[in-house]
Amino acid sequence: GAVVSQHPSWVICKSGTSVKIECRSLDFQATTMFWYRQFPKQSLMLMATSNEGSKATYEQGVEKDKFLINHASLTLSTLTVTSAHPEDSSFYICSALTGAVEAFFGQGTRLTVV
Amino acid sequence: AQKVTQAQTEISVVEKEDVTLDCVYETRDTTYYLFWYKQPPSGELVFLIRRNSFDEQNEISGRYSWNFQKSTSSFNFTITASQVVDSAVYFCALSEERDDKIIFGKGTRLHILP
Repeated sequence: GAVVSQHPSWVICKSGTSVKIECRSLDFQATTMFWYRQFPKQSLMLMATSNEGSKATYEQGVEKDKFLINHASLTLSTLTVTSAHPEDSSFYICSALTGAVEAFFGQGTRLTVV
Repeated sequence: AQKVTQAQTEISVVEKEDVTLDCVYETRDTTYYLFWYKQPPSGELVFLIRRNSFDEQNEISGRYSWNFQKSTSSFNFTITASQVVDSAVYFCALSEERDDKIIFGKGTRLHILP
């Protein structure tokens, strides 16, 4: 199956700093990518839909100024957590959509804000 | 709005027993897709199956089987002769054709006891 690579796998940052997470589709072009957040022992919650060349669409309750999403190419979407705080500590997962309604997930990024 | 309900929060069975994970969904669309994913402790999502709304045939893959019943809006997952390696969190998910977002249920944590 198709491969989606997410980087970094884990990151620790200081409160108030910004962190960028990359999501790459390695062997296919993805016009649409999705970003999810998962708190411990909870489900994956959709944060936003990222479309190449246009602004991301955020789910209700997700602060777009805090979670900046850029989808500059057909193989790369980035999520930047700005001015991170401990409550932003979570597991972030991206998925990339192929043309055949097939979504492939990255391995996830575990963010810890101290 | 689409919704996925996994009523079983946590299940424990002894190895070699069969276990069924329940999934009930809601959607107004006639075209939709149902998924099951496995999430081991590492966090990475493992794709198990995708089924479209027009295909109600049950599926068997090794020890795994899925029962899709549109009449009851259910898409249940059975593991036969369970093994310790099956221990994980299992998510049922739904995607509507209109926007391709994959919405997850809350997951069922499965413990297979040796």
